[in-house]
Amino acid sequence: EPEVTQTPSHQVTQMGQEVILRCVPISNHLYFYWYRQILGQKVEFLVSFYNNEISEKSEIFDDQFSVERPDGSNFTLKIRSTKLEDSAMYFCASSVSGQGYTGELFFGEGSRLTVL
Amino acid sequence: SQQGEEDPQALSIQEGENATMNCSYKTSINNLQWYRQNSGRGLVHLILIRSNEREKHSGRLRVTLDTSKKSSSLLITASRAADTASYFCATGLPDYGGSQGNLIFGKGTKLSVKP
Repeated sequence: EPEVTQTPSHQVTQMGQEVILRCVPISNHLYFYWYRQILGQKVEFLVSFYNNEISEKSEIFDDQFSVERPDGSNFTLKIRSTKLEDSAMYFCASSVSGQGYTGELFFGEGSRLTVL
Repeated sequence: SQQGEEDPQALSIQEGENATMNCSYKTSINNLQWYRQNSGRGLVHLILIRSNEREKHSGRLRVTLDTSKKSSSLLITASRAADTASYFCATGLPDYGGSQGNLIFGKGTKLSVKP
């Protein structure tokens, strides 16, 4: 069964360092998302991406964050200068269509980011 | 309260019993979805109910939606130990003007099913 894959599964970094989290969405999906979940808290939307551009982003997704689809398969989230409060599980998701249609999201297993 | 709040926060039942979780939300929605998350794992989509639907079934799952009360419930019948997980409701907002939108998740209900 097709699945969303994320790497790395766990990354430990020093505050101020750049981090890139990678995702391979399901191949025929058109919409891509990043969410994050701070330990024990709710899942929060970061950004959605369609047709090679950001379609929506939350207040969390500030100038320190960027997303890219560098080729036909990968979808990356970059955090330019990590802060302690960026420590969280980051989930990539993809969907065949946007919220106006089926709306079901397929999530990866997540990348746990620990900022020291 | 925030969009997509589940209650109870935690629920502990015996295997074979039914588990009911509730979700309330504040704004108009396009659809409401339920996801499951095993500890430390990703979210798995369970069921989606559209704003013009009132009830939906999938296997042992039954979801209801009351848009007048802005609430939904998820019923898991004949629960099993393997159902132990956190369950989240997520609301999809109306799709205006081409924005693909995003899901707003609640804080989840932690379900523990004892064998």
